[in-house]
Amino acid sequence: ELKVEQNPLFLSMQEGKNYTIYCNYSTTSDRLYWYRQDPGKSLESLFVLLSNGAVKQEGRLMASLDTKARLSTLHITAAVHDLSATYFCAGQTSGGGADGLTFGKGTHLIIQP
Amino acid sequence: DAGITQSPRHKVTETGTPVTLRCHQTENHRYMYWYRQDPGHGLRLIHYSYGVKDTDKGEVSDGYSVSRSKTEDFLLTLESATSSQTSVYFCAISAQTLFGYTFGSGTRLTVV
Repeated sequence: ELKVEQNPLFLSMQEGKNYTIYCNYSTTSDRLYWYRQDPGKSLESLFVLLSNGAVKQEGRLMASLDTKARLSTLHITAAVHDLSATYFCAGQTSGGGADGLTFGKGTHLIIQP
Repeated sequence: DAGITQSPRHKVTETGTPVTLRCHQTENHRYMYWYRQDPGHGLRLIHYSYGVKDTDKGEVSDGYSVSRSKTEDFLLTLESATSSQTSVYFCAISAQTLFGYTFGSGTRLTVV
């Protein structure tokens, strides 16, 4: 059974700083996903990481995957207030998406001016 | 997302009453999912479907049933709602592509 743990669960940081959110998972995961959720809204897909060593970047966010360590990271560079949200990582065990995603509990990120 | 809609968006119901939530998609995706989101728990899978009339249980399926009689519709039913089922319910769809999963806007259900 796949288990996904995120840390920290809550993070308050200042604009302009860098920080990393960590996502550990317990068993082999075919893919690793990162989502963003704003209050009262749905989940927005950020990244899909498919293989060991995968790195993807979009603006100030960069995600990476180390399948040997069963670890994914979401790095925030020079944070801005608009990045305040809850971020979820999720793993997928079976090929093809049949049995869905297993989510971490989410990291509630507040970026203060 | 225009390709997936959930109804109703909000609902308040009394303990013991049956409730049905609807997920409708226009993408013709094979896979559909129901999740619930609760503070401190992230999203947890309730049931999923891998085709018409093909469904299976997820992590937190007790007290819920589902049906999928058409590709585009996936219904979640609470046979007798309890206060512990107060939650935000999200539907998701997937076509087994590299683009992953698309989530609906959610249904906020309150059981009083």
